[in-house]
Amino acid sequence: QKEVEQDPGPLSVPEGAIVSLNCTYSNSAFQYFMWYRQYSRKGPELLMYTYSSGNKEDGRFTAQVDKSSKYISLFIRDSQPSDSATYLCAMSGGSNYKLTFGKGTLLTVNP
Amino acid sequence: GAGVSQSPRYKVAKRGQDVALRCDPISGHVSLFWYQQALGQGPEFLTYFQNEAQLDKSGLPSDRFFAERPEGSVSTLKIQRTQQEDSAVYLCASSDKAGGWGNEQFFGPGTRLTVL
Repeated sequence: QKEVEQDPGPLSVPEGAIVSLNCTYSNSAFQYFMWYRQYSRKGPELLMYTYSSGNKEDGRFTAQVDKSSKYISLFIRDSQPSDSATYLCAMSGGSNYKLTFGKGTLLTVNP
Repeated sequence: GAGVSQSPRYKVAKRGQDVALRCDPISGHVSLFWYQQALGQGPEFLTYFQNEAQLDKSGLPSDRFFAERPEGSVSTLKIQRTQQEDSAVYLCASSDKAGGWGNEQFFGPGTRLTVL
């Protein structure tokens, strides 16, 4: 079993929908949780990061971390076609420079 | 300002050839990372530099992989005697912090290596 599990999708939604993306993990040492967006043939770009449990909101994006369940989520409100990309969860622990990524979820938002 | 750049963007190698992949981090960034991203997978950590010092090479898959950053800026990832399983996108990332919280890593576009 991999340290970080993420459903690869693909996920297809209509414009304006609320999107929910999720990851589970097994390593209790993870403390920092991130979501990256990766467009086709581009490098990952950081969207959100959180430390420990709780919620963080930034515009249309909300990140949630539940350390007791080892479960993290990213919600996208009022999704736009420009949100179509692969979303990668990533986490790190004590040696926090080393990111462990999920497989990524391919999201398509249809106009 | 300029982001992380990588060259070449695409590389095709015959099995057994040596390849060298270059990374130009954001100017002044002390930390530099290499990741390998296989098709349909998330990036996997290869190695970490703090300035010119290679502090962690635990993710390098074999002794055919070698990375260097001799002057603490540009880095080169070298793969000797390439194998088909080395086919992947090689991502470079840099950060202005030497580890620690808030160590946002900025990624380059990657080099797509195909080994025939």
